[in-house]
Amino acid sequence: AQSVTQPDIHITVSEGASLELRCNYSYGATPYLFWYVQSPGQGLQLLLKYFSGDTLVQGIKGFEAEFKRSQSSFNLRKPSVHWSDAAEYFCAVGGGATNKLIFGTGTLLAVQP
Amino acid sequence: SAVISQKPSRDICQRGTSLTIQCQVDSQVTMMFWYRQQPGQSLTLIATANQGSEATYESGFVIDKFPISRPNLTFSTLTVSNMSPEDSSIYLCSTTRGDEQFFGPGTRLTVL
Repeated sequence: AQSVTQPDIHITVSEGASLELRCNYSYGATPYLFWYVQSPGQGLQLLLKYFSGDTLVQGIKGFEAEFKRSQSSFNLRKPSVHWSDAAEYFCAVGGGATNKLIFGTGTLLAVQP
Repeated sequence: SAVISQKPSRDICQRGTSLTIQCQVDSQVTMMFWYRQQPGQSLTLIATANQGSEATYESGFVIDKFPISRPNLTFSTLTVSNMSPEDSSIYLCSTTRGDEQFFGPGTRLTVL
């Protein structure tokens, strides 16, 4: 079955600390992988995507993610978190760039001073 | 990027009534999608709406409960029919442009 797992429901980090949000997927074909961020009252914004090529992808706002096929993972990282990064983060997988997306349950990030 | 607006942004409705949510895209698009985000849960695709054809519904969603219209290439509506408290969710529409999928701000629905 196709699915996305985000094991961490809620994470709290201190401002300036590094961040890693975990994402594991199960998908029968070559996966297209995405990370979205949803701030309160806002729509979903695409942070980054992976289709093929270099397994380390850079996104907006200083985020990056690494695709590891052997681990079926696509973890999101940021070296230094800012208070404005507090939001909910969703990992998603699709079978093509324009196909429907399967989302994980999300990780809610809190940033403390 | 694609700019997507939704109306209403939120609503509180009584059980047994229906609500129609509108989604407007700033340019012509082929595919539009409707998602549901239940409290504390993931986004789930309800249906895909292509202009000129009937919407394609995902498993667990039916046209009688979630009728969708797609009258032109920039607009779509989703109706939540005969609502119950279990329909309380955020409903989002989306579309694709290039290799990205863009989402509207969502409609937060509360059913009493």
